[in-house]
Amino acid sequence: EPEVTQTPSHQVTQMGQEVILRCVPISNHLYFYWYRQILGQKVEFLVSFYNNEISEKSEIFDDQFSVERPDGSNFTLKIRSTKLEDSAMYFCARGGRTDTQYFGPGTRLTVL
Amino acid sequence: RKEVEQDPGPFNVPEGATVAFNCTYSNSASQSFFWYRQDCRKEPKLLMSVYSSGNEDGRFTAQLNRASQYISLLIRDSKLSDSATYLCVVNPNSGGYQKVTFGTGTKLQVIP
Repeated sequence: EPEVTQTPSHQVTQMGQEVILRCVPISNHLYFYWYRQILGQKVEFLVSFYNNEISEKSEIFDDQFSVERPDGSNFTLKIRSTKLEDSAMYFCARGGRTDTQYFGPGTRLTVL
Repeated sequence: RKEVEQDPGPFNVPEGATVAFNCTYSNSASQSFFWYRQDCRKEPKLLMSVYSSGNEDGRFTAQLNRASQYISLLIRDSKLSDSATYLCVVNPNSGGYQKVTFGTGTKLQVIP
């Protein structure tokens, strides 16, 4: 059983369009993370989210990105105006009781 | 020096062999260390945490050397199903539900 589920599994969009990627935790958790992995490259941290607030973000997470938990359950990552270089796998992760993290299956974003 | 550095491989080993991977990290204040495995186009999955005293989980043994700032993963009696990319992950924060840094991964191919 996955720790979190993510939708959609694959998103294709045109450059300049907005996309929203969703993460749904299986049970109630307070700590969430978004990562991305460009094909053939390493997993990169984007942002951490605790108790409905951003707790840390990387230099990749610029003004084009935002996160929220609109209904107290789903956790979303929005990219306002996609660029070609945003094409990647986007993983949501939830934090455990220790500082281990458990990843969802990912959303493959393709920007044309 | 990269934050987390791994030999990308690939390591091609026969079934039943023992194989070891090393990973070095640059931040001497790092507190938590993990090994994840990632299958092609899938999410990273936690393999094991790495404790100061070293720890073992079945065929897998992890070691931490703080003085030299490296961690290792030993896999005994390799199985075909062990073929994957092994990711070294470092958290510089104590008790930290914060950013972790991934290595680029070491690819293992177990050959029949």
